[in-house]
Amino acid sequence: AQSVAQPEDQVNVAEGNPLTVKCTYSVSGNPYLFWYVQYPNRGLQFLLKYITGDNLVKGSYGFEAEFNKSQTSFHLKKPSALVSDSALYFCAVRGGSGAGSYQLTFGKGTKLSVIP
Amino acid sequence: DTEVTQTPKHLVMGMTNKKSLKCEQHMGHRAMYWYKQKAKKPPELMFVYSYEKLSINESVPSRFSPECPNSSLLNLHLHALQPEDSALYLCASSQDPGLTDTQYFGPGTRLTVL
Repeated sequence: AQSVAQPEDQVNVAEGNPLTVKCTYSVSGNPYLFWYVQYPNRGLQFLLKYITGDNLVKGSYGFEAEFNKSQTSFHLKKPSALVSDSALYFCAVRGGSGAGSYQLTFGKGTKLSVIP
Repeated sequence: DTEVTQTPKHLVMGMTNKKSLKCEQHMGHRAMYWYKQKAKKPPELMFVYSYEKLSINESVPSRFSPECPNSSLLNLHLHALQPEDSALYLCASSQDPGLTDTQYFGPGTRLTVL
């Protein structure tokens, strides 16, 4: 079975400062990792994914994420936060083997608040 | 264009009503999904359609009945729902149902069961 942990329920950061939203995963085989963002009363928007190759993945709206196999982490980062980045962020994983490998398993989400 | 549309945006229904949620995509995607999301929780997978055939049913109660009339459309028929079924219902699609394929989500239907 696969799982995702987002250890922080909420992250607060000042506008213009760098931001990091943490994610760790557990999967038996190769992990396929995704980040999504959700604004209030909206669907999920895809930000980026890691499949293979370069450990640093660049995505939409200036976000990037670093895959670290030894630490089983896939933290989301942005060099300079904007107030409009305030939202709920979900990390998700697919992979492994067995009946559950098809499923996109989400973390519980991290609420990001960017303070003006 | 990575747009998935869902109608209606909001739906209020009684426990004896029958209603349907609709999802549409024109990206040529061959996998479509229904998720249920409660407030401040991650989405939970309900159904997966792969090439217009139901491939995954995550033990969802029979009061939820999915239908895929064609490769662009996905419906979720609702009947005799309970108040605890109130949630945001999200539709998603991906090029294929493979492990590496990105799922693109619609804006959701906010369902309230009275």
